[in-house]
Amino acid sequence: DAGVIQSPRHEVTEMGQEVTLRCKPISGHNSLFWYRQTMMRGLELLIYFNNNVPIDDSGMPEDRFSAKMPNASFSTLKIQPSEPRDSAVYFCASSPLTGEQFFGPGTRLTVL
Amino acid sequence: GENVEQHPSTLSVQEGDSAVIKCTYSDSASNYFPWYKQELGKRPQLIIDIRSNVGEKKDQRIAVTLNKTAKHFSLHITETQPEDSAVYFCAASQVFGGGADGLTFGKGTHLIIQP
Repeated sequence: DAGVIQSPRHEVTEMGQEVTLRCKPISGHNSLFWYRQTMMRGLELLIYFNNNVPIDDSGMPEDRFSAKMPNASFSTLKIQPSEPRDSAVYFCASSPLTGEQFFGPGTRLTVL
Repeated sequence: GENVEQHPSTLSVQEGDSAVIKCTYSDSASNYFPWYKQELGKRPQLIIDIRSNVGEKKDQRIAVTLNKTAKHFSLHITETQPEDSAVYFCAASQVFGGGADGLTFGKGTHLIIQP
């Protein structure tokens, strides 16, 4: 049974470029979450969706960040333009109605 | 919003001894408290959770306790083994009929098991 799938696993880009991170949640889960992990700030929630609808995007750091969930099996997190301070590991997680969140392997983003 | 404090930041114990990690939360509406284990370079892995209608939950060598009045919860690991070495995170959120809110995490505890 496949868990949460994220791509790419690693991304190295230059400042100013657009970055798109992708996530496929576990089939049947109705909630999807995007988190960011850094040494300085720890694990922080960026945005989450319930039944494909964005519920809370207050954690999105700036207008440069946007997220979509066009259907129940796919979500994207986009950064445009990217900056060096965006370098972090970005995790996607999904949960069923009971609330347990299962994390994907993460995307390690490096912005030069 | 929710604020989760976690202590200690580093915990070193002898193999076979017990380890206890403590967390406090601020939002009385939170009703779901999971614990995650994260090994270096890996994803956070859910190891145990507790809901606000329960005071204690056990799963083999790990247990979690919750005190709603004091707004704190703790992770207990007994008979520690080298493979327990990792960073442990506590978290809090609300789970309701139609889904769940995002998790607010503590800063993490680096657990070191000394052989």
